[in-house]
Amino acid sequence: AQSVTQLGSHVSVSEGALVLLRCNYSSSVPPYLFWYVQYPNQGLQLLLKYTSAATLVKGINGFEAEFKKSETSFHLTKPSAHMSDAAEYFCAVIYNQGGKLIFGQGTELSVKP
Amino acid sequence: NAGVTQTPKFQVLKTGQSMTLQCAQDMNHEYMSWYRQDPGMGLRLIHYSVGAGITDQGEVPNGYNVSRSTTEDFPLRLLSAAPSQTSVYFCASSPGTGVSGELFFGEGSRLTVL
Repeated sequence: AQSVTQLGSHVSVSEGALVLLRCNYSSSVPPYLFWYVQYPNQGLQLLLKYTSAATLVKGINGFEAEFKKSETSFHLTKPSAHMSDAAEYFCAVIYNQGGKLIFGQGTELSVKP
Repeated sequence: NAGVTQTPKFQVLKTGQSMTLQCAQDMNHEYMSWYRQDPGMGLRLIHYSVGAGITDQGEVPNGYNVSRSTTEDFPLRLLSAAPSQTSVYFCASSPGTGVSGELFFGEGSRLTVL
């Protein structure tokens, strides 16, 4: 079955450290890929999306993600974490045009002072 | 613009009771959907609609009904609530008749079924 997997339900980093949140998808055909962020007691908002243009995608708040077809991955990174980055992050995939958006399980990011 | 508005934000029900979660959007989006969010399971699609008068099932439709009589509104009905329906429910919309990738979410409705 088509799916999306986020490795690590909880990631903790120190302020100023690199943030790396992992996401792998399950198809050999490049899908549409997204990262969403959810701050406490709020709905989700789009961070960035990949739709078969550049493989390195830049999003809001200094985040970026790189599409790697050979690894079926779309990991999210940020060079230097801020306290305000503490939130839950969801990777999501559409496997074909007109398909439904499938979410990963989510990764909660904590940022230590 | 208010975006996507969900009511109520919190609700406690007893097993067997029915209720409706309301969702309204003022962005003239054709696509609307309902998700439930449970710890460790991400968001799962319950029902969706690609326009007024058209609805379809998602991954976990059992126990829920929807209707789409207007472009703006997409209510979710629980006919006979069960403890397994305790969850946080999100309504989301998107421009066009398919998911372009950018879903606009409401702030959620937290439901507890005793």
